[in-house]
Amino acid sequence: DAGITQSPRHKVTETGTPVTLRCHQTENHRYMYWYRQDPGHGLRLIHYSYGVKDTDKGEVSDGYSVSRSKTEDFLLTLESATSSQTSVYFCAISESGDRIAKNIQYFGAGTRLSVL
Amino acid sequence: SQQGEEDPQALSIQEGENATMNCSYKTSINNLQWYRQNSGRGLVHLILIRSNEREKHSGRLRVTLDTSKKSSSLLITASRAADTASYFCATDSTSGSRLTFGEGTQLTVNP
Repeated sequence: DAGITQSPRHKVTETGTPVTLRCHQTENHRYMYWYRQDPGHGLRLIHYSYGVKDTDKGEVSDGYSVSRSKTEDFLLTLESATSSQTSVYFCAISESGDRIAKNIQYFGAGTRLSVL
Repeated sequence: SQQGEEDPQALSIQEGENATMNCSYKTSINNLQWYRQNSGRGLVHLILIRSNEREKHSGRLRVTLDTSKKSSSLLITASRAADTASYFCATDSTSGSRLTFGEGTQLTVNP
């Protein structure tokens, strides 16, 4: 999985609790992304980062926040988890450089989150 | 809304047969990619085709792109049981660093 580690791999939590998912890369890639994958929806972008402390929203960002204080780490936080956030979460990275390099993404193994 | 939509949603074939999956998208693109996802794993990049290319090959993979119809197809020749996976097309955005994924085609190759 291309030097990308997601933790935890599985988590069960209760509605209303905060949850933080971590993505760690060893590739020194500039761009990092958080997606969620749900049946019938494919992969949807939550937030992404184009550098340290530089982040932007994706198409399903409500209820999520992110932080990137180091190149290698990108954190996804659910401030108050809801059952609708039960999903599989994937982190991805891509290089800087030309458009082609930026477009090719490398994915982590995913985190399966259940909010009860 | 999803930029890319794959067709069919599911495909079941016998080993040795060819598998064809289609992707349609809505807006202009710079390039289109195909990814594979094995069960319980992350996506893996397979192939990228630029908007000014019409066909590209990589091993047993053949990708075509028709920008006039806003569609692409992925052909896997001489399929193997190990090709069983979900296949996703992804298109870029004008910013160039964000991708939009379709919902995927679940391919099952029966031994």
